[in-house]
Amino acid sequence: GAVVSQHPSWVICKSGTSVKIECRSLDFQATTMFWYRQFPKQSLMLMATSNEGSKATYEQGVEKDKFLINHASLTLSTLTVTSAHPEDSSFYICSARDPKGLAGGGEQFFGPGTRLTVL
Amino acid sequence: GQNIDQPTEMTATEGAIVQINCTYQTSGFNGLFWYQQHAGEAPTFLSYNVLDGLEEKGRFSSFLSRSKGYSYLLLKELQMKDSASYLCAVMDSNYQLIWGAGTKLIIKP
Repeated sequence: GAVVSQHPSWVICKSGTSVKIECRSLDFQATTMFWYRQFPKQSLMLMATSNEGSKATYEQGVEKDKFLINHASLTLSTLTVTSAHPEDSSFYICSARDPKGLAGGGEQFFGPGTRLTVL
Repeated sequence: GQNIDQPTEMTATEGAIVQINCTYQTSGFNGLFWYQQHAGEAPTFLSYNVLDGLEEKGRFSSFLSRSKGYSYLLLKELQMKDSASYLCAVMDSNYQLIWGAGTKLIIKP
């Protein structure tokens, strides 16, 4: 099956700093990637949809200036949490859509996630 | 609006069978996915249904009725490692995944 990697797996940073998370599709080209956030004991929350070569589409309530998304190539999308604060501490998961996957290319493959802790 | 409903939590005994239900109301339908998510890990794919009926894959089976907006995930011969959250997700007409809140399954010896 398709493989998606995410880096780093976990990060601890000080309040006010910025953190970059990378999401890579290793064996397929992903025109669309998704960024999710998950707080403890809660379900996945879609933050934004990232399309290669264009601006990301953010879900309602997600600050685009705080969560910067760049999808510069067909295999890499990055999420930068700018001026991170303790309330941004969460589990961030990316997924990539494989055009050859199930559901007419709609199937999503998930990265392993990044646990962010802001002190 | 779009809505996915599934029970918040279920408990079952090791070796038994459990059925996790999911009902949905979405704008369009391009298939229904079930994912398994262990605590602290990303979701992993279990099954995909786009036509009515039962899809069997080892100990796991998934059923779909499009006319009723209903699906279930059936887990047989439960093992302790099956303790996890099970997420139901529907792909709408825009090929966006609409996620349920997940069902936490607790397996007891």
